[in-house]
Amino acid sequence: DIQMTQSPSTLSASVGETVTITCRASQSIFRWLAWYQQKPGKAPKLLIYKASTLENGVPSRFSGSGSGTEFTLTINSLQPDDFATYYCQQYDSNVYTFGQGTKLDIK
Amino acid sequence: EVQLMESGGRLGKPGESLRLSCSVSGLTFRDYNFNWIRQAPGMGLEWISSISTDSGYIHYADSVKGRFTISRDNDKDSLFLQMNGLRVDDTAVYFCARSRPDSTGYSTPDFWGQGTLVTVSS
Repeated sequence: DIQMTQSPSTLSASVGETVTITCRASQSIFRWLAWYQQKPGKAPKLLIYKASTLENGVPSRFSGSGSGTEFTLTINSLQPDDFATYYCQQYDSNVYTFGQGTKLDIK
Repeated sequence: EVQLMESGGRLGKPGESLRLSCSVSGLTFRDYNFNWIRQAPGMGLEWISSISTDSGYIHYADSVKGRFTISRDNDKDSLFLQMNGLRVDDTAVYFCARSRPDSTGYSTPDFWGQGTLVTVSS
């Protein structure tokens, strides 16, 4: 199975800052990568698919980039609503795999 | 409004069986692939199974292969997960999720239910 490794595991930041989360795949997944946001007790929400395509309704301060094995999620000008856990997920293989998650909390 | 509602989660003992259901509304159920994804308490997300529109393509994670069976009823707009041989490490919230339609054939879960809790304990 394709392994997905996210870094960092936790990230502390302030409102207004810009943060970047990295996701690495154990083999090339081309651009078949999604990013999700999850808040406690809630279902995950799709933010980005195909590495850089913003899902409908997702604020433009979220952006994704990368291809092959290295991907990033960038959140510009953090808002209070953005403090959550973020997961990357590959769907190049029929067996989908998630990264372990990055918890973004308020500094 | 698209709604996915899971049910069937409960407390079970190791070795027992359990059947989860996901009732879907607000979309043409038969047009979409679906998934089951789980999350153990305090842990990350684990995709466990997917099923195509006509049930012709089904895939499982190694952790559940041979024990869990995904199925769907397109006439009843419902998705199912038959869970046999339950283990303590199957304890998790189980989400059903629609796959985002994509003309390339590569699709990812885009809309999720709120989940149902399965607890396995002796």
